[in-house]
Amino acid sequence: GIQVEQSPPDLILQEGANSTLRCNFSDSVNNLQWFHQNPWGQLINLFYIPSGTKQNGRLSATTVATERYSLLYISSSQTTDSGVYFCAVELGDYKLSFGAGTTVTVRA
Amino acid sequence: NAGVTQTPKFQVLKTGQSMTLQCAQDMNHEYMSWYRQDPGMGLRLIHYSVGAGITDQGEVPNGYNVSRSTTEDFPLRLLLAAPSQTSVYFCASRRQGHTGELFFGEGSRLTVL
Repeated sequence: GIQVEQSPPDLILQEGANSTLRCNFSDSVNNLQWFHQNPWGQLINLFYIPSGTKQNGRLSATTVATERYSLLYISSSQTTDSGVYFCAVELGDYKLSFGAGTTVTVRA
Repeated sequence: NAGVTQTPKFQVLKTGQSMTLQCAQDMNHEYMSWYRQDPGMGLRLIHYSVGAGITDQGEVPNGYNVSRSTTEDFPLRLLLAAPSQTSVYFCASRRQGHTGELFFGEGSRLTVL
């Protein structure tokens, strides 16, 4: 199956800092999403972004499908940004595969 | 609009017992799926369904059964629970096809003793 690698595995930020999370995948995909899992375990949709660039407030994402990677940018981080960020991709076989996630800790 | 609803939120079983995790969605989504999440391993797909009467296996289907008799409901059955099935289970749904956002329920934490 498709391989999904996220980096870094852990990230500690001071409040107000910017950061970039990366997702590499091993094959062409027709579906790519970024999720945030908050400290209570809820999985929240951030972006549906199989290609191109999107922005939502302090978060933005870019997917370069031809080079098989996606980036999630967090600007002016806040403590509420803490949690685990997952990238998930699908080949077109109805099986959305998740990376292992990046654990982000934002310190006040 | 409730979205994806899972019950129960917590459950403790003894080895060999059976139970059903319920999942219901009110968004008229054709696609529904079950994932399990274990520490440090991300989410792994157990089973999925692309519509009523159609189900298929994901990455880790052994020990689980599913059925899809209606568009709204997609229950996950554990017939002979084992300690290896201790996990957090998530149900998710999206509209028909290969594209579009996947929406998750709040999860069900299962412990098998």
